[in-house]
Amino acid sequence: ILNVEQSPQSLHVQEGDSTNFTCSFPSSNFYALHWYRWETAKSPEALFVMTLNGDEKKKGRISATLNTKEGYSYLYIKGSQPEDSATYLCAFNFYNQGGKLIFGQGTELSVKP
Amino acid sequence: EADIYQTPRYLVIGTGKKITLECSQTMGHDKMYWYQQDPGMELHLIHYSYGVNSTEKGDLSSESTVSRIRTEHFPLTLESARPSHTSQYLCASRTTGGGDGYTFGSGTRLTVV
Repeated sequence: ILNVEQSPQSLHVQEGDSTNFTCSFPSSNFYALHWYRWETAKSPEALFVMTLNGDEKKKGRISATLNTKEGYSYLYIKGSQPEDSATYLCAFNFYNQGGKLIFGQGTELSVKP
Repeated sequence: EADIYQTPRYLVIGTGKKITLECSQTMGHDKMYWYQQDPGMELHLIHYSYGVNSTEKGDLSSESTVSRIRTEHFPLTLESARPSHTSQYLCASRTTGGGDGYTFGSGTRLTVV
């Protein structure tokens, strides 16, 4: 059974704190790793798509790293703000699977002012 | 702004009714997907399409059906709704070889009573 595991399930931090989440996935036949941010009542929004081992991507205060050999990715948020409150989803897909994504349960982040 | 539209956003319907969840995208994406999310669970793929007249079942078994007569339109139908169909349904699309991730709709939250 292929699955993606994310930890922690939920996180409550104060404004200004830096935080990070983990995503673990099967490393064999790996093609790409996706991160999405999903705010309540909105559509999931793509943050990063990473394919290469050692990839590091950054978008403002948010960055992500990828280790395909050991099957994990980290998402970092520097100086969390209340508007960062959302569920962060990790998903991966294999070669020759038509782009079908397998999702983790997500990490729910709450940032208090 | 959303380039992929789902209607309705919320639907409460009685057991045995036929329902169609609409999904339309204006980006000309060839690949479209339907995901289902039960409360507290991951997103699971239930249907996908690689283009007009192409539909396939996803990894999670579903009693729903889909059609793809036009590139931009990918509706999902339940012939006879049951309480077990209560869930959130998310539509997504991407272009072939797209490295920017999926574009998601806002979802339809279905409750069958």
